[in-house]
Amino acid sequence: AQRVTQPEKLLSVFKGAPVELKCNYSYSGSPELFWYVQYSRQRLQLLLRHISRESIKGFTADLNKGETSFHLKKPFAQEEDSAMYYCAPRDSNYQLIWGAGTKLIIKP
Amino acid sequence: NAGVTQTPKFRVLKTGQSMTLLCAQDMNHEYMYWYRQDPGMGLRLIHYSVGEGTTAKGEVPDGYNVSRLKKQNFLLGLESAAPSQTSVYFCASITSRGTDTEAFFGQGTRLTVV
Repeated sequence: AQRVTQPEKLLSVFKGAPVELKCNYSYSGSPELFWYVQYSRQRLQLLLRHISRESIKGFTADLNKGETSFHLKKPFAQEEDSAMYYCAPRDSNYQLIWGAGTKLIIKP
Repeated sequence: NAGVTQTPKFRVLKTGQSMTLLCAQDMNHEYMYWYRQDPGMGLRLIHYSVGEGTTAKGEVPDGYNVSRLKKQNFLLGLESAAPSQTSVYFCASITSRGTDTEAFFGQGTRLTVV
């Protein structure tokens, strides 16, 4: 079965420290991979997608097919990065497969 | 451009009452989804629709029904609400055009069943 694992439910780091939110997936094909973010009292929104190889708000994510991982990274965390982060591969039927999410807290 | 709009935003129901949540999107998307979000459990798919007039069950469909009579609207119904259905409900839509597509979400509906 397709599955996404975000091993950390909560990640707390100090402002200015590097951040890495882990995501591992099990999928038989070649999924499209996304990271979504939900800031406090806001709707979920797309943060970045692997196919674009873009950097949004300083975040990057590299797809490692060998390790089936798509970890989200940022070299210097900012307080406004505090949010819930979801890793979500999308399968060929346009279904997003959601991880349980990681709550990121940036301490001042 | 409104995107995805959910109504209502908040609701308190008594056990056994019924209600309908409305999701409306103005992006001409084919795919629409209803999720519930509970602490520590991420998003769980309740029902989804791949087009007007079609619906399918997701991961946690029991106690819910849906309808997609118009392409732009996806309704989620609770016939007899139970406290276990206390949750935040999100609607999302995706286009089927292209291979790299973004899901657009509504602002959520916070439902409390007492």
